[in-house]
Amino acid sequence: GQQVMQIPQYQHVQEGEDFTTYCNSSTTLSNIQWYKQRPGGHPVFLIQLVKSGEVKKQKRLTFQFGEAKKNSSLHITATQTTDVGTYFCAPTTSGTYKYIFGTGTRLKVLA
Amino acid sequence: EAGVVQSPRYKIIEKKQPVAFWCNPISGHNTLYWYLQNLGQGPELLIRYENEEAVDDSQLPKDRFSAERLKGVDSTLKIQPAELGDSAVYLCASSSFHSTDTQYFGPGTRLTVL
Repeated sequence: GQQVMQIPQYQHVQEGEDFTTYCNSSTTLSNIQWYKQRPGGHPVFLIQLVKSGEVKKQKRLTFQFGEAKKNSSLHITATQTTDVGTYFCAPTTSGTYKYIFGTGTRLKVLA
Repeated sequence: EAGVVQSPRYKIIEKKQPVAFWCNPISGHNTLYWYLQNLGQGPELLIRYENEEAVDDSQLPKDRFSAERLKGVDSTLKIQPAELGDSAVYLCASSSFHSTDTQYFGPGTRLTVL
């Protein structure tokens, strides 16, 4: 089926370094959700982006929706060990791939 | 407010045996989802319910999988017979009518088929 690609697949950073994951779609999206899944845990909702070019911040996390609503990014400033986990984007569209989760980016933070 | 409840948390069965998973969504959430998650991959939707109606079951392998949500609250997902490739985590999620794109996940059931 249709896939939503996230890059990178894995990222190891030193604690205090920044981290960015990108979510790319071949079609225009209605909106996009981001989830975090800790090792052994379940996905937890982080945020929803709806508007073209929208930028939202949650403490050290910055979420951005592309102007064309085909891509999105999540940036973490000064990573901490509590940021460890897999970050998934989950776009929605009125078309063919509603409720599909991205491939995920697994983040490891080295203390 | 209680979150999404799933049971059992873990299940080990032999192939060809039946297995069932139970989910109780967040109170008031009319939309319920069942997902399958393989190791290292994102959740894959199996079925979505709006109240008691299955509105999207296109990804549910209907030869061996079945689901029900008889009163529009709790739901059961069944596999009969289970195959080795069914080993995965089965996640249940729910969302409210006013915010259907924000899904709240349960802890999942980890199924191992031997």
